[in-house]
Amino acid sequence: SQTIHQWPATLVQPVGSPLSLECTVEGTSNPNLYWYRQAAGRGLQLLFYSVGIGQISSEVPQNLSASRPQDRQFILSSKKLLLSDSGFYLCAWSVGWGEQYFGPGTRLTVT
Amino acid sequence: DAKTTQPTSMDCAEGRAANLPCNHSTISGNEYVYWYRQIHSQGPQYIIHGLKNNETNEMASLIITEDRKSSTLILPHATLRDTAVYYCIVSETSYDKVIFGPGTSLSVIP
Repeated sequence: SQTIHQWPATLVQPVGSPLSLECTVEGTSNPNLYWYRQAAGRGLQLLFYSVGIGQISSEVPQNLSASRPQDRQFILSSKKLLLSDSGFYLCAWSVGWGEQYFGPGTRLTVT
Repeated sequence: DAKTTQPTSMDCAEGRAANLPCNHSTISGNEYVYWYRQIHSQGPQYIIHGLKNNETNEMASLIITEDRKSSTLILPHATLRDTAVYYCIVSETSYDKVIFGPGTSLSVIP
């Protein structure tokens, strides 16, 4: 069966510090991968998606970036965090553009 | 922008059926209707999807109108654990990414 992992579960970082969140998927090959952010009390905002290794599409201009160095690994990064980057970050995968399966999320607080 | 409209919130008595409506009047012929839910502090969970016909699985039933302009997600016997935000989404599975709207906050009341 397929499993999706995200870490860390929670993170507190100061403004201006770097960020690296990792997501890995097991049990499937060549999945579509997604990064979403959910601010407190708000809906899900699609940040990035990837249909293959090295292929990243950005949905929202921001100080975040994403990379897909391996088929089942998706990384979200920032060189300098802003207060507005605080939120609940979710990774998801799908077979093609079908139903998406979400990871447990990382709760990021920028102080 | 999301292609669906849903009520902001709903209440349902425990043990009763929860019927969550969704309008998608601009849906195209190749677009599916998907439902997800998000329990507080967790990632969203896929529930069910359909194209034209009604669908049922172990979690819920999906009723799609004949003109496909609206649908209803039915939780047959709501429990307290069904309290969550429910998202209705339309998506063309061959090339389209999913856009989540604000969803419906369902509260199941004892």
